Amino acid sequence: SQQGEEDPQALSIQEGENATMNCSYKTSINNLQWYRQNSGRGLVHLILIRSNEREKHSGRLRVTLDTSKKSSSLLITASRAADTASYFCATDASNTGNQFYFGTGTSLTVIP
Amino acid sequence: ETGVTQSPTHLIKTRGQQVTLRCSSQSGHNTVSWYQQALGQGPQFIFQYYREEENGRGNFPPRFSGLQFPNYSSELNVNALELDDSALYLCASSWTGNYGYTFGSGTRLTVV
Repeated sequence: SQQGEEDPQALSIQEGENATMNCSYKTSINNLQWYRQNSGRGLVHLILIRSNEREKHSGRLRVTLDTSKKSSSLLITASRAADTASYFCATDASNTGNQFYFGTGTSLTVIP
Repeated sequence: ETGVTQSPTHLIKTRGQQVTLRCSSQSGHNTVSWYQQALGQGPQFIFQYYREEENGRGNFPPRFSGLQFPNYSSELNVNALELDDSALYLCASSWTGNYGYTFGSGTRLTVV
């Protein structure tokens, strides 16, 4: 399976701290995305990083991609209680085009 | 109107019955994908439709079928429901070449 796998499964931090989540995957990809999901509702697209990029920033989010290690990390700086959610990475295999496979997710709890 | 809307939001069915879930894609999006998310798991890719044709399928049996209409709205049909079909079903739309998905809030299906 080309499905990604996030690590850790659960993370609990104090408000203001940074949160780092990791994603590993198995096959070559065109790009990797990170999504957030609140309380079992729809997923919200956070950021996309292409296979030829190594780092990308969006507000308090920083994503890195290491294609040699088939891994990515999501860093949320200065976390807020509103960041409490599950975070998923999604990868597309290079031969499947616009079809994405999600990992198992990291459940982040930010304590006020 | 922007956004992806799904209906119904909740549904209870009996084992062996058939169900149809509906999705209205975001304006301008020509691709729709369906995902099944069991409790505590990541979304699993069911299939994708592009210009009314199936454009890729995950590891789901034929009793899971779909349709995409000329206005890019979509249906997911599941026949002969099983208890394990209980899950959150998510619809996501996108535009070819733009790899970010826009997700709906999902339909929570419970099979009893």
